[in-house]
Amino acid sequence: KNEVEQSPQNLTAQEGEFITINCSYSVGISALHWLQQHPGGGIVSLFMLSSGKKKHGRLIATINIQEKHSSLHITASHPRDSAVYICAVTGNQFYFGTGTSLTVIP
Amino acid sequence: NAGVTQTPKFQVLKTGQSMTLQCAQDMNHEYMSWYRQDPGMGLRLIHYSVGAGITDQGEVPNGYNVSRSTTEDFPLRLLSAAPSQTSVYFCATWTIYGYTFGSGTRLTVV
Repeated sequence: KNEVEQSPQNLTAQEGEFITINCSYSVGISALHWLQQHPGGGIVSLFMLSSGKKKHGRLIATINIQEKHSSLHITASHPRDSAVYICAVTGNQFYFGTGTSLTVIP
Repeated sequence: NAGVTQTPKFQVLKTGQSMTLQCAQDMNHEYMSWYRQDPGMGLRLIHYSVGAGITDQGEVPNGYNVSRSTTEDFPLRLLSAAPSQTSVYFCATWTIYGYTFGSGTRLTVV
């Protein structure tokens, strides 16, 4: 069962590039979360969305409830953005995507 | 303000041993949960609690027990460790404002 699907699974970008990570879900939700996990590190919550768009620094998250789709954008990517980005949804239950591994090359 | 504290950070067990992974939070959050993270599988919910005295099973509860005697603490017990329980374990709280994760426990069962 894959209630949350992320694409791509792996992504390599040059420093400065604009990056988009996609998340599609198949269940009813009350909120969608974007999480960040650095190699060997803990998990940090980046955004929680129930509608529209949120921006924090170079990160932008959008959600389309009708299409059951969310995107995480990173502008002017930097090597320190290299991490695994995880999409999660909350509703009656909690589901997590398998993550998108991002590597930003200097 | 420590957030969510997990101990230990690393642990090696022999098959059949038991142990408890500790999780404590100082944010007075009602919802706490345990996840395991395995390569290529994402985070999977083991057990969760919506408040002191209330626990329930998640997606992969077999081989694990939990209790929630206080709001602050939510320990995860491995009853008889098996190599299949080798994983990274995360404790997390959740509120309407989002998740707060602990730093994880890397467990190896040999």
